[in-house]
Amino acid sequence: DAKTTQPTSMDCAEGRAANLPCNHSTISGNEYVYWYRQIHSQGPQYIIHGLKNNETNEMASLIITEDRKSSTLILPHATLRDTAVYYCIVRLPHSGGGADGLTFGKGTHLIIQP
Amino acid sequence: DGGITQSPKYLFRKEGQNVTLSCEQNLNHDAMYWYRQDPGQGLRLIYYSQIVNDFQKGDIAEGYSVSREKKESFPLTVTSAQKNPTAFYLCASRDITGTHEQYFGPGTRLTVT
Repeated sequence: DAKTTQPTSMDCAEGRAANLPCNHSTISGNEYVYWYRQIHSQGPQYIIHGLKNNETNEMASLIITEDRKSSTLILPHATLRDTAVYYCIVRLPHSGGGADGLTFGKGTHLIIQP
Repeated sequence: DGGITQSPKYLFRKEGQNVTLSCEQNLNHDAMYWYRQDPGQGLRLIYYSQIVNDFQKGDIAEGYSVSREKKESFPLTVTSAQKNPTAFYLCASRDITGTHEQYFGPGTRLTVT
């Protein structure tokens, strides 16, 4: 799986858009970008994933650069309940014989300020 | 409600005792996973299973054992051989026909003294 780099922490004002960056310069052509988040003392929650096109769902938008070396997760109107650790993960969509699990780094601790 | 349940939420054991953590899912997912999380760290894969009666070691399997006798259930035993068992344990499942979207349970916080 390609390695990802995320800032350790970020602040955002309530009601504003939160933009979380992720660098994945070694991503290969068929690896997807996945985003999960983990609210304190709970299990991680899937947010969104994409390959090369921008994606949007009810939770967030994912913007992937044209060279696919970085991406940004956008929470359009952040609320206090969006305070969590956000993980960016890059991997193949289907298991290929190796360890079939997700590799979670330390992620970005997003703090939404009232 | 469909989902993954883990019980109990908090578990306390004395050193030297084996302890089994429960994980049940009613999502009809074939694949199930166990992860360990230490404070301020990401998740590390302990074991995974893609089908009933089959499972594979993850990155940190030493001191742990699992079974997969039913599709819905994937219990994890933390044995006395695990040198540092105090941690937050997370179970997850996935539809193997889809992409790598995993659904996680609420976790069990194990404290061994």
